[in-house]
Amino acid sequence: KQEVTQIPAALSVPEGENLVLNCSFTDSAIYNLQWFRQDPGKGLTSLLLIQSSQREQTSGRLNASLDKSSGRSTLYIAASQPGDSATYLCATYTGANSKLTFGKGITLSVRP
Amino acid sequence: GAVVSQHPSWVICKSGTSVKIECRSLDFQATTMFWYRQFPKQSLMLMATSNEGSKATYEQGVEKDKFLINHASLTLSTLTVTSAHPEDSSFYICSAEDLAGVVGELFFGEGSRLTVL
Repeated sequence: KQEVTQIPAALSVPEGENLVLNCSFTDSAIYNLQWFRQDPGKGLTSLLLIQSSQREQTSGRLNASLDKSSGRSTLYIAASQPGDSATYLCATYTGANSKLTFGKGITLSVRP
Repeated sequence: GAVVSQHPSWVICKSGTSVKIECRSLDFQATTMFWYRQFPKQSLMLMATSNEGSKATYEQGVEKDKFLINHASLTLSTLTVTSAHPEDSSFYICSAEDLAGVVGELFFGEGSRLTVL
């Protein structure tokens, strides 16, 4: 059974800092891994999807990497802004029953 | 990107009544939609997989008679919370997989907050 872990549960940084959010998973036989953003009381917004054959994906100030063999992914946020404050969740898709397995998320606070 | 719309975004009801939440894929077709429940400061808990034209598949511990799911078309799935009680108060989120898109890429609705008095 796939388990996805995100540590720490919360992170507070000053504005402008570059930061890395970590995600680890136990079953490396994944089809893809997705990073999502969730604002309080809102649904999930897809940030980046990395296919199993890919090493990384980039979108603006965000860069996500994937190392299947070690069961790790990182989301790099460059030049953080207060508007980046949200909960970031990673999720793996293994194809089994088409389900996503989510981590518990990292709540990021970027201080002005 | 693909858009999933949920309605209503929030609803308050009396204990014992039933509430229906709709999940629509606006610009794509989805044979499979998923319903999640999220408690405060917790991650998403998958409740059931909604399959167009067939019965939903429920996760262990989720009462299928309590949470009725209907997926009558390729763009609409509904979740009905029957005889709602205060413990059913929660944030419900749906997601959909684009039939013609990337396998395993899910798009999420904005969520529906249910409060049962």
